[in-house]
Amino acid sequence: DAGVIQSPRHEVTEMGQEVTLRCKPISGHDYLFWYRQTMMRGLELLIYFNNNVPIDDSGMPEDRFSAKMPNASFSTLKIQPSEPRDSAVYFCASRGGTQYFGPGTRLTVL
Amino acid sequence: DQQVKQNSPSLSVQEGRISILNCDYTNSMFDYFLWYKKYPAEGPTFLISISSIKDKNEDGRFTVFLNKSAKHLSLHIVPSQPGDSAVYFCAASDRKAIQGAQKLVFGQGTRLTINP
Repeated sequence: DAGVIQSPRHEVTEMGQEVTLRCKPISGHDYLFWYRQTMMRGLELLIYFNNNVPIDDSGMPEDRFSAKMPNASFSTLKIQPSEPRDSAVYFCASRGGTQYFGPGTRLTVL
Repeated sequence: DQQVKQNSPSLSVQEGRISILNCDYTNSMFDYFLWYKKYPAEGPTFLISISSIKDKNEDGRFTVFLNKSAKHLSLHIVPSQPGDSAVYFCAASDRKAIQGAQKLVFGQGTRLTINP
């Protein structure tokens, strides 16, 4: 198995633009998690899904953030409009026993 | 409020010596604790875990100790090797509250550097 796949690996955008991050979980895993890593706060859970259904989005910072999981093999995290303070590394993880993380997307908002 | 804290942002250890990484938590409902290791440009990878019914769990060179009364856990690496240089994250979960989800709360991480 290729593991959790995230794209793009790097994204540089300007303030106000829409950003979409993508994730393909490991096949057969029924939980999917989105995290954000910053220097100040470390790894924060944004939202997680169980069997494609959002269960807990209490970590989503603002209405500008939204996440979807249209099927078991794909999820997106969207930021619209983006702001410089959204700059961070965003990780997707899927769970089978324990959580397996993707390589992350480094987002820079100018 | 930071429910899981790693107060040392960095640690430098000589190769062959013991590395001790510390983690404190505030939520007494946490009953499952994990350590993840992260190399640059990669996602965190699971290293070792411990349930609150134990006070020690060992896996090769890695041992995790849990002191529930102090709400403190530590990761010991013996002997330390250059390949252990990475960022280490402590994480905690309240498994009773959310069955199956393993909703994790992470610390800020400690950057460990092993010097030859």
